[in-house]
Amino acid sequence: DTGVSQDPRHKITKRGQNVTFRCDPISEHNRLYWYRQTLGQGPEFLTYFQNEAQLEKSRLLSDRFSAERPKGSFSTLEIQRTEQGDSAMYLCASSFGLQETQYFGPGTRLLVL
Amino acid sequence: RKEVEQDPGPFNVPEGATVAFNCTYSNSASQSFFWYRQDCRKEPKLLMSVYSSGNEDGRFTAQLNRASQYISLLIRDSKLSDSATYLCVVGSGNTGKLIFGQGTTLQVKP
Repeated sequence: DTGVSQDPRHKITKRGQNVTFRCDPISEHNRLYWYRQTLGQGPEFLTYFQNEAQLEKSRLLSDRFSAERPKGSFSTLEIQRTEQGDSAMYLCASSFGLQETQYFGPGTRLLVL
Repeated sequence: RKEVEQDPGPFNVPEGATVAFNCTYSNSASQSFFWYRQDCRKEPKLLMSVYSSGNEDGRFTAQLNRASQYISLLIRDSKLSDSATYLCVVGSGNTGKLIFGQGTTLQVKP
């Protein structure tokens, strides 16, 4: 399978715990995006990388959130001290260039109890 | 005001019907426009890009009106398999980030 992959697919955690999600983009795609989607809403942009550089962060990304893409390949999104409001599906997408199609991974569904 | 606005529906139509979805966007500097389809509990998938000249892909036709900042999607001869949420999406020219509408739910019934 050469599509975008995300791990884990589901995560249940207790409020206050830290969680980390991983995204593996399509090989050779230099742009990687993170989005968050809550029930009944469209995805909302969180942050994006061009190669290993994080070039934009949404104001939705509080200081409890951190994302990395250390070698310009896979990316991780960490949420510290999770809150119930963090419950959502976290989607990763990648593209080859600025105007190219973004391909989405299957998402990581997070539930914070 | 949301950057991309859509009627969430749901639209309930019989098989074979023609259905139209519309959305409006607020940033007049937007450069790229798309319709994505999202099935229940799945990731969004690109349905089609939208151009000022309009474009057609089989039963699907998309139109862009830059002056009115309005995007439309027409589905002809609806199939049961068309049941999904249709997301109107605007691309940010500088970063490539996508701005999604809330989505419009379509349910095609036999």
